[in-house]
Amino acid sequence: DTAVSQTPKYLVTQMGNDKSIKCEQNLGHDTMYWYKQDSKKFLKIMFSYNNKELIINETVPNRFSPKSPDKAHLNLHINSLELGDSAVYFCASSQDLGQGYTFGSGTRLTVV
Amino acid sequence: KQEVTQIPAALSVPEGENLVLNCSFTDSAIYNLQWFRQDPGKGLTSLLLIQSSQREQTSGRLNASLDKSSGRSTLYIAASQPGDSATYLCAVHSSGTYKYIFGTGTRLKVLA
Repeated sequence: DTAVSQTPKYLVTQMGNDKSIKCEQNLGHDTMYWYKQDSKKFLKIMFSYNNKELIINETVPNRFSPKSPDKAHLNLHINSLELGDSAVYFCASSQDLGQGYTFGSGTRLTVV
Repeated sequence: KQEVTQIPAALSVPEGENLVLNCSFTDSAIYNLQWFRQDPGKGLTSLLLIQSSQREQTSGRLNASLDKSSGRSTLYIAASQPGDSATYLCAVHSSGTYKYIFGTGTRLKVLA
C-alpha cells in the first residue's frame, strides 16, 4: 500500500564500502527524485529521472550513481563511502512538471 | 537562482493558539509551492499544494496562501494542538525545472 517505499530504512557501514539504496513507487508517476537531508535538516536535490531518463544531476560526486531500471524504480548506488555521506536520503516521485511530490520515509545512512 | 527562506526558524505556542508560518522565495516564476510536515526521524508528509494560478488552499485547520508577485506564502494553523508539533517545510517548484527548492523549515512546538 505504501506509495513510495525505500529500503533499507537504516544503513550503517564502514568508510570505503559500496552500498545501494532502493526506491519504488506504485503511484504511476513519471518522475522520481533523490534528495539528501544533512545534519542541519536542509533538503537538497541530488538527482531527478523522468521516464527513466536522467534530467537533473546537481553537482553530486560521481561516487553516487543513480539507476532507473523502469519508471517505478530509482536506485542509488554509492561507491567508496565517506564520513560526509552520512545523512538521510529521501526518494520522491511526482506525476509530471507542476505536480506535487510524494516522499518516501527516508534512509538514514551512517558511515563509520 | 531560487532561494527559499522560512521565518521563524522555531516557534513555541500554547495549545489552542492560531499561528502563521512564513515562507519567502526570490524568483516568482514558479509552477507551484508545497507545504510539508516532517516529524522527528520520519519522512515528509504533504500538507497543501498551491498551483501558481491559485491564491490559497485549505485542508481542515490548515490554510496556505500564495502571493507570487511578492514571493511569499503563509501557512495558517488554526486552534493548534500538541499533535501539530513538527517541522514545517516550504518547497518551491520553479518554472522550467524538475526540482523543488526547500526552505530551512520552521520547528513548531505546541505546548499542552
